[in-house]
Amino acid sequence: QKEVEQDPGPLSVPEGAIVSLNCTYSNSAFQYFMWYRQYSRKGPELLMYTYSSGNKEDGRFTAQVDKSSKYISLFIRDSQPSDSATYLCAMSAVGSNYKLTFGKGTLLTVNP
Amino acid sequence: DVKVTQSSRYLVKRTGEKVFLECVQDMDHENMFWYRQDPGLGLRLIYFSYDVKMKEKGDIPEGYSVSREKKERFSLILESASTNQTSMYLCASSEGYEQFFGPGTRLTVL
Repeated sequence: QKEVEQDPGPLSVPEGAIVSLNCTYSNSAFQYFMWYRQYSRKGPELLMYTYSSGNKEDGRFTAQVDKSSKYISLFIRDSQPSDSATYLCAMSAVGSNYKLTFGKGTLLTVNP
Repeated sequence: DVKVTQSSRYLVKRTGEKVFLECVQDMDHENMFWYRQDPGLGLRLIYFSYDVKMKEKGDIPEGYSVSREKKERFSLILESASTNQTSMYLCASSEGYEQFFGPGTRLTVL
C-alpha cells in the first residue's frame, strides 16, 4: 500500500461548482498536512497548511483532516477557470527532518 | 514573501555532461530540498539539506550529488548526465513543515 494515495483524475467541472479533492494515507504518524496548487510548467504553490485534525478555511478553500479515517480533503467553493491546475496533497510526521510525502496530484479543469 | 529562484527555466544538455542546477532562497531557511517530477511518478525527493554543509539522501539519489556551501544556496549536480535524467527539477526551502518551491528547471538530456 502506498503511503499517500490520491486520485489522479482528471476532474472536469463547470464554473461555479463545488470541488472536492481527497487523499488517503497509511502512516498514522503524519501530523502536518498541506495542499499545493501547481499550474502547468510551474512550481507547486502552497495553498493550505493544517496541523492534526480539524478544518481550516481560507476564502473559497477549505481543508479538512480526519485522522481517525486517515483522510484529508480540499474543498473549493464557487470554482473559477483560474482554479484549473494540478492539486497535490502532502504530509509529514514529527521527526522526519521536515520531509514531505506527496500524493501524485489530481488534475482539475474548471470549464467556463 | 518567500522567494526561491532556480538558475534556469529550461536546459538542454548532452549525455555525459556534468550539469549544475542552482537554487537560491532569500528567507534564511534552514532546510532545502531537491525533487524531480515525472508524469505518473509525482514528486520524488533526491537530496535535502537541513543545515549548511549537512545533506542527506532522499529516495532517488543515484546519479546525483549536492552542494551547500552557503545557507541560501543549494546546488544539484548531475555528474554524468543520462537520458533518464530528463525531467522537471524542483527546489524547495522551509523553516518548518511548509515548503516553498521555486519555478522549476526543465532539463532535457540528449
